[in-house]
This record gives sequence, C-alpha cells and structure tokens, in this order.
Amino acid sequence: EDQVTQSPEALRLQEGESSSLNCSYTVSGLRGLFWYRQDPGKGPEFLFTLYSAGEEKEKERLKATLTKKESFLHITAPKPEDSATYLCAVRGGYNKLIFGAGTRLAVHP
Amino acid sequence: DVKVTQSSRYLVKRTGEKVFLECVQDMDHENMFWYRQDPGLGLRLIYFSYDVKMKEKGDIPEGYSVSREKKERFSLILESASTNQTSMYLCASSFKGDQPQHFGDGTRLSIL
Repeated sequence: EDQVTQSPEALRLQEGESSSLNCSYTVSGLRGLFWYRQDPGKGPEFLFTLYSAGEEKEKERLKATLTKKESFLHITAPKPEDSATYLCAVRGGYNKLIFGAGTRLAVHP
Repeated sequence: DVKVTQSSRYLVKRTGEKVFLECVQDMDHENMFWYRQDPGLGLRLIYFSYDVKMKEKGDIPEGYSVSREKKERFSLILESASTNQTSMYLCASSFKGDQPQHFGDGTRLSIL
C-alpha cells in the first residue's frame, strides 16, 4: 500500500536556526514527490517536484532532496514568515497523490 | 499564475440538505480533483476528473458525487449532508501527466 509519513508533526525553531523536515514514503513506482506549503485558512501552495533519487531543488531558504526512501526539506536560517504547515505527497498509481499529514513549523523571532 | 477559485470560503448547511461546492480554474487544465482535509488525517481524495463529463472515484467517494460539464468547472455535490461531512474541502487542478496540482483556498463547510 502506498504510504507517506512526515516527521516531526510539529517543529519550533528560533529565527536563524536551520533544520530539516522528513518525508518517508513507500510507493510502487514513484512518479514524482511533491512539497507544498500551507498557511492557515489557505490551500496548499506548490513548492517543488522531485522525480529521481539524488535530485535537489532550491527556492530561497528551502532546499528539497530525494533518496529512494525519503525526502528532506532543509530550511536554512529560517525567518518567522517561513512558519506554515509543510506537506509532502507522492504520485502513485492512477495518477493519484498520496499526502502525508504534514509538519507544522513555527519560527520565532 | 494558476488560479483555482472556489465559490465559497465558508458555508453552513443543515443535515439532509443537498450541498453544491463549485470550483473553477483558468489554466485550461485537463485534470481536476476534490479533496477533504481533516486534522490528523491529511488530505484525502474524494473524486477526480481527467476530462469533461468524465469522473473517477477517489479514496472516500461515499456520500458525494461530482459533475464536470465544462473543462474549467468541477462541482462537488453532497447528496444528503451529514455532520461527519463537516470539513475543509479543497479543489485542485493540473495538466495531464506528472505535473503538480494547484489548489484553491478551500471551502470550510459546517453541517449542523
């Protein structure tokens, strides 16, 4: 069964304190791993797509990496405006996305 | 920028009512999706559509139906609303193939 597990559930950081979020997955035939950011009361906002092990993508303070079993979202020197829930999803069979439950990130000044 | 618009941000209905949630996208996307999002359960797929007048069941289709009469519009219908359908409903769209899905801002639906 296709499955996505994100850890930790919640993370509190001080401004400037770098860290990583984890997304572990099991899927038969990975056809893309997606990272989204979701602010309270809003829909998920697309960040990155990764397709193969070893691939990396960067956007401002965020960097996503992919291995055969997991993906990491590295946050370098975060700011309070990076506070959000970060969602990971994998595309499995029938073109469906399977989402993890998300990591709630709070960055304090 | 992709724009996915959901007709209502907040909606309050009574049990037994027939409820319509509307979603429109302006990017000529072939694929459209309806999810619900509940605390601790993440996003769960209700229905999706690959083309006009075409629909496929997702993981939790019971109690719901959908309609796609035009390419840009995808409607979710709660046939007879129940309190366990109180949730955040999210619509998404994408090009066909392995392209990312883009989401609307959701409708928070309360069934009393």
